[in-house]
Formats: sequence, C-alpha cells, structure tokens
Amino acid sequence: SSELTQDPAVSVALGQTVRITCQGDSLRSYYASWYQQKPGQAPVLVIYGKNNRPSGIPDRFSGSSSGNTASLTITGAQAEDEADYYCNSRDSSGHVVFGGGTKLTVL
Amino acid sequence: EVQLVQSGAEVKKPGESLKISCKGSGYSFTSYWIGWVRQMPGKGLEWMGIIYPGDSDTRYSPSFQGQVTISADKSISTAYLQWSSLKASDTAMYYCARLRQQLVTFDLWGRGTLVTVSS
Repeated sequence: SSELTQDPAVSVALGQTVRITCQGDSLRSYYASWYQQKPGQAPVLVIYGKNNRPSGIPDRFSGSSSGNTASLTITGAQAEDEADYYCNSRDSSGHVVFGGGTKLTVL
Repeated sequence: EVQLVQSGAEVKKPGESLKISCKGSGYSFTSYWIGWVRQMPGKGLEWMGIIYPGDSDTRYSPSFQGQVTISADKSISTAYLQWSSLKASDTAMYYCARLRQQLVTFDLWGRGTLVTVSS
C-alpha cells in the first residue's frame, strides 16, 4: 500500500474548480509533485515544489500544501483535463513514493 | 531536443531474461538521476528504483530489491532495467524518467516500454 493517499475518483463540472488531494505524513517535510496521465500516454509533470509549473502547463493548474496534505487545484476545468492524476514525494524511509492516483472526470 | 527514448515493446515467456533501455539526449545525462516506474494494466504508478549515471549509485524500492537490476552506461547515455527470470506478473508498462532528486520530481518521461510475459 502507498504511504500517499489519494481519492480514487473526483468529478467536476466543465469550467468549475476542482481540488485533488494527497495525504501522507512525509508531506509535512517534503513537497509533493503532481503528474497528469491520459489514456495510452506517459505521465506529464504539471506541478512541482512549492507551486511551480513546467513550461507549457496552463496556469489553471496550481499546487498548495498544508500539514500532511498536498493539493492540486484546477481552476476552470477543461474537457482536456480529464485524466488520471498522481502525486509523489518521499516516504518515511526517504524513498520515492507515488500516491494511488485520482481519476478526474469532467462533466 | 531534451528527451528519453525507450526501447520497443517486448513479448517474452516466463523464465526468460530481458533488458530494456532508456537513452537520454539533449541534456547532461550524467548530472541527473534516472528512475524506473512500473504501471501494471489498469493500475497506478509504482517506483522501482533510481540510478545516478555519473557514478552508477543505485537505490531500489524495497518492493523491487532483488527482483530487477538497474544499470547505466554513461558512455552512451543509456540506462537499463533487467530481469533474469521473468514472471507473468511482470507484465506491465515500464517508464523511465529523469529525477530532480532534491525536489523528488520526475520532470522528463520516456514513452514507456510494454513488457508482456506469457506462455
């Protein structure tokens, strides 16, 4: 089992705001990174560090953290944002760990 | 162009050995860790291990220690993932990705290598 916990599925109406969360004790010490994966494609980094977006990632994606919870927020969700989202960070042993993933449906 | 190019899909029988590759280009291959990530059919991402091509320092996930071997040849900017005896349960997509170690961020991904193990 993963030391980072994500809700398996979340839905959002087109154009609305959605928050996807990632919980784990290690997040009190380390930032989470967030990845978007569409069917049949490799994951793509969308947020890293405190709240950084790689080049080419729309500014509707943002990240935040509080206590043991990291969040990925999509403000004004678009149809193309429908995908699986994964967080990752370190576990209690310092190893890399991924969350179980959240399937985002845009209604 | 900065990229990681992975070797093609493989179909193997249980008990066979396999080595898949990941070639980096467009950046200093020896300056970044490379990680391997497994994704079983319909499942999530699992970290397998990482290697620093500069000195071949390697770290494994406890879940994969002893099950696979990660290596690299810095002279050709290529990392490898290998099995000595495949099992049907090794059937999965395998991604390599560049790791920014301090941030624990995989900022560049290969397209994946699909490994199918079936008798």
